[in-house]
Amino acid sequence: QKEVEQDPGPLSVPEGAIVSLNCTYSNSAFQYFMWYRQYSRKGPELLMYTYSSGNKEDGRFTAQVDKSSKYISLFIRDSQPSDSATYLCAMSASGGSYIPTFGRGTSLIVHP
Amino acid sequence: KAGVTQTPRYLIKTRGQQVTLSCSPISGHRSVSWYQQTPGQGLQFLFEYFSETQRNKGNFPGRFSGRQFSNSRSEMNVSTLELGDSALYLCASFHRGNPTDTQYFGPGTRLTVL
Repeated sequence: QKEVEQDPGPLSVPEGAIVSLNCTYSNSAFQYFMWYRQYSRKGPELLMYTYSSGNKEDGRFTAQVDKSSKYISLFIRDSQPSDSATYLCAMSASGGSYIPTFGRGTSLIVHP
Repeated sequence: KAGVTQTPRYLIKTRGQQVTLSCSPISGHRSVSWYQQTPGQGLQFLFEYFSETQRNKGNFPGRFSGRQFSNSRSEMNVSTLELGDSALYLCASFHRGNPTDTQYFGPGTRLTVL
């Protein structure tokens, strides 16, 4: 079993839909939770960064962490075709340096 | 501010050869990490350098090595290339800031081993 599990998709939604992307993990030492967006032929881009449990909102994006269930989510409201990309979750046990363990990524397609 | 730059962008090598990849982080960022991305294994951490010292290392064989220079530029080297080393190699620079930390990836070097 991988430390971080993420459904690869693809997830196809119509423009304007609310998108829910999820990851589960097994290592209870993880305290830092990140979401990255990666467009084709580009490097990942850090979208959201959360410490411990709770919610964090940034514009159309909301990240949720439930450490008791070892489950994290990223919600995208009013999805746009430009949101079409691969979304990777990542987790780290230490905040002293960035050594994330990544999920395999979920491919999201938002069609007009 | 210029982003993270990586050179070369594309590289083709044959088995047994060695390769050196270069990464220039964002100005002021002292932490540089390297990652390998493949369709089969996803994105995997290779190593992290901070102020010219390797601070953390992932689970890769000793054929993979790196270094960081005083200007924070970093290089990674892969010796005795194998077919399975074909991948996108990504470099990321990290800065611990207030109120948030920031991390930026470069565009990657696409290595093909024939």
